[in-house]
Amino acid sequence: EVLLVQSGAEVKKPGATVRISCKLSGYTFIDYYIHWVQQAPGKGLEWMGLVNPENGDTLYAENFQGRVTITADTSLDTAYMDLYSLTSEDTAVYFCATSLPSTKTPFDYWGQGTLVTVSS
Amino acid sequence: DIVMTQSPDSLAVSLGERATINCKSSQSVLYDSHNKDYLAWYQQKPGHPPKLLFYWASTRASGVPARFSGGGSATDFTLTISSLQAEDVAVYYCHQYYTTPGSFGQGTKLEIK
Repeated sequence: EVLLVQSGAEVKKPGATVRISCKLSGYTFIDYYIHWVQQAPGKGLEWMGLVNPENGDTLYAENFQGRVTITADTSLDTAYMDLYSLTSEDTAVYFCATSLPSTKTPFDYWGQGTLVTVSS
Repeated sequence: DIVMTQSPDSLAVSLGERATINCKSSQSVLYDSHNKDYLAWYQQKPGHPPKLLFYWASTRASGVPARFSGGGSATDFTLTISSLQAEDVAVYYCHQYYTTPGSFGQGTKLEIK
């Protein structure tokens, strides 16, 4: 069974950085891309970026470029998403999701989501 | 970027009745050389992550009940539930993965009438 388990909820102050982890089990880590998707309260889904765990290549959405870093640790089968310079608008649930190793495939498995609250 | 627009924003249907959700893309997501539409549907229940229902517009993901069907091509797509069950209450999203970045519709909230 494919399982993506994310780290727990975070509360951060404006200007801080948050790191969320996503541990994968049930399949070969390097065989899939890992994506990160933001869901702000009462809003829809927005793709943030992806990492190819096989070689560490990344691709970021323009809206998050320069404020997000996505990495993968193949020794731990874990992907990470760092989001910098947080503001209240970053308060959201963040999901990791997998896809086949192409940008032109859907997201087949999802983590449970991590709530990040940004508040002074 | 491709803009995905779903209609309606919310929908209330009686148990056992048909529910239809529409999704329109601002440009075609049909890859002619593959004859495939790069369009997926997800179901998201409260407090849960999205779950893949369909890909290539009409290919049912593993474990998805047969009462769900996906259709359409190019710019106009539909998700249909032939006989609504209580467990189908959720928000449904369409998603184009034809371009990078991909983009999602705003979601359609499906409730019981």
